[in-house]
Amino acid sequence: VQLLESGGGLVQPGGSLRLSCAASGFTFSSYAMSWVRQAPGKGLEWIGSIYYSGSTYYNPSLKSRVTISVDTSKNQFSLKLSSVTAADTAVYYCARDDYGGFDIWGQGTMVTVSS
Amino acid sequence: AIRMTQSPSSLSASTGDRVTITCRASQGISSYLAWYQQKPGKAPKLLIYAASTLQSGVPSRFSGSGSGTDFTLTISCLQSEDFATYYCQQYYSYPPYSFGQGTKLEIK
Repeated sequence: VQLLESGGGLVQPGGSLRLSCAASGFTFSSYAMSWVRQAPGKGLEWIGSIYYSGSTYYNPSLKSRVTISVDTSKNQFSLKLSSVTAADTAVYYCARDDYGGFDIWGQGTMVTVSS
Repeated sequence: AIRMTQSPSSLSASTGDRVTITCRASQGISSYLAWYQQKPGKAPKLLIYAASTLQSGVPSRFSGSGSGTDFTLTISCLQSEDFATYYCQQYYSYPPYSFGQGTKLEIK
């Protein structure tokens, strides 16, 4: 059972970050999948979740800038965050939501917003 | 949004000690609470869900209790590998899911 993020790196202010999370070893359809981020030296912040049906829930603080989508054929889901600023610099994690906490996490991918 | 407040923010203890971390919700969340452990440079690890249910593979020295607004995580006999940062998280009402600010457990 594993989650693997990809797509981190340097993003220009005002641009968009796009991350992917590939799931393996479990049936994607049985869970919700989420994105959580952690700014350097800070705590955890939930970004949003997507269900197999495609239903999404977003943190109201980020809702206007966030899109989470799923590709069920690839067992993969994605995060897009637009109009990024330095405040979006963080390690971004994907996580499996077992409806009782996030029981599986990816290794995390660092995103730095800087010109 | 439900606000989660942990105390203390940091804690110094020695191996073999018993330690307790508290998490308070700004409104009742029944038992919809999880605890995580995070070590530097690593992803969080789920320890406890439903306030008191130990995740598979987690040592029995970890325990959780509480319901409503007040919760505790107890480590009964600290081991060297337990020094880390601990977070609580409510999943009663979302969006948003919300985390506590974290408690850093350090070696005395």
